[in-house]
Amino acid sequence: GAVVSQHPSWVICKSGTSVKIECRSLDFQATTMFWYRQFPKQSLMLMATSNEGSKATYEQGVEKDKFLINHASLTLSTLTVTSAHPEDSSFYICSAIYKTDTQYFGPGTRLTVL
Amino acid sequence: GESVGLHLPTLSVQEGDNSIINCAYSNSASDYFIWYKQESGKGPQFIIDIRSNMDKRQGQRVTVLLNKTVKHLSLQIAATQPGDSAVYFCAEKGQGGKLIFGQGTELSVKP
Repeated sequence: GAVVSQHPSWVICKSGTSVKIECRSLDFQATTMFWYRQFPKQSLMLMATSNEGSKATYEQGVEKDKFLINHASLTLSTLTVTSAHPEDSSFYICSAIYKTDTQYFGPGTRLTVL
Repeated sequence: GESVGLHLPTLSVQEGDNSIINCAYSNSASDYFIWYKQESGKGPQFIIDIRSNMDKRQGQRVTVLLNKTVKHLSLQIAATQPGDSAVYFCAEKGQGGKLIFGQGTELSVKP
C-alpha cells in the first residue's frame, strides 16, 4: 500500500514552454500532497504544500505564478512549470499523506529545459 | 531556524559490516522523525520512523535510535548489503506536516 506515482518520469522541453507533472496516490486518498525540488547531490527542498480543494501554500522564495499547483481530487495533484527556462531543470518529487505523519514519495520527474 | 543536519556526507563500509548513519536536529520540540533511502534517479523510500516518546525502534535489519538529550538520531543497518548503497536522509516533522530534511549521507558498500 501507500503507492505514489508520477507522470512523466522524465521530460525534455524547449525554453519558454510549459510542462505539467502529475502526482497520483494509487491506493489511498491523500489529504495533503507536497512538491519538492532536488538538485544533484543535494537534499530535497520543499516547494509547496497542496491540499485538496484549496490553494497551495508555497514556501518562501518559490514563485507561485511560475510553479502552478492544482489539487483537483484526493488522488491527484499537478505541478505546472510555466515558461520553463534552463534554470528550472531539476528533479521534481511529490509526496502524499493520509491521516498519518508519514509521507510517501513518488518516483520523481526529471525535467530538462533546453 | 529549524534544521536537521548530518555529520558525515559519505560513508563506505564493507559488505556484511554494520553501518551507522548519524543525524543532528535543532528543534527540541520535534516529535516525529523519519529515515528515507534514496537510490539514484528515484524518489525517497520510507525506511523507518520514530516518535519522541521512544528511544529505539527496530525494523528488518534497521534500528533507529533517538537521543533527545543531545538531539541526535541514528540509523543502524545490520549486515550491510550492496543493495543498501544509496543516499540516506533523516527528516524531522515540522509545522503543518512538512518534513525538514537533512543534507543526506551517501552510503557505499564495498563487496
